[in-house]
Amino acid sequence: EDQVTQSPEALRLQEGESSSLNCSYTVSGLRGLFWYRQDPGKGPEFLFTLYSAGEEKEKERLKATLTKKESFLHITAPKPEDSATYLCAVQGAQKLVFGQGTRLTINP
Amino acid sequence: EAGVVQSPRYKIIEKKQPVAFWCNPISGHNTLYWYRQNLGQGPELLIRYENEEAVDDSQLPKDRFSAERLKGVDSTLKIQPAELGDSAVYLCASSEGAVSQYFGPGTRLTVL
Repeated sequence: EDQVTQSPEALRLQEGESSSLNCSYTVSGLRGLFWYRQDPGKGPEFLFTLYSAGEEKEKERLKATLTKKESFLHITAPKPEDSATYLCAVQGAQKLVFGQGTRLTINP
Repeated sequence: EAGVVQSPRYKIIEKKQPVAFWCNPISGHNTLYWYRQNLGQGPELLIRYENEEAVDDSQLPKDRFSAERLKGVDSTLKIQPAELGDSAVYLCASSEGAVSQYFGPGTRLTVL
């Protein structure tokens, strides 16, 4: 069974303090690994898709990387507006399976 | 370009009452998904449509949940009768093919 585990569950940082979020996964036949951002009361917002180990994608202060067993979402010099829940999901042969998310809070 | 549209945004009902949610996907997206998201959890797939055909409904509680996608565009998800444990956010998503799903804002259901 496809499975996704995200850590930590919650992370509180000071503005400008860089860190990384982890997504560990097991999947039969990875077709894609996705990162989403979700703000309170809203649906998940698509950020990145990674397809193979070694691939990296960047967008503003965010960079996603992928290995055969995990993905990292690196956040560099975060700002308060980066506060949100970040969801990781893997697409296997059957369906998209989500992790429980990491709730990120950036204090000014 | 308009995103995925869902209505209503919020719904409060008594247990045993019926409820329905509506979704209009992004124009041109042939694949439509319904998810349920409990507080503090990631979304869980309920049903996936390819055009008008439900190709994955293995997680849909068929005794009380039903869904339809007429003409391969809009979709409706229904619960009858609702139970206390059905309180959650119901998300609709769409994609062109099987990757890069785009989500709507969701319907927050509260069952009293």
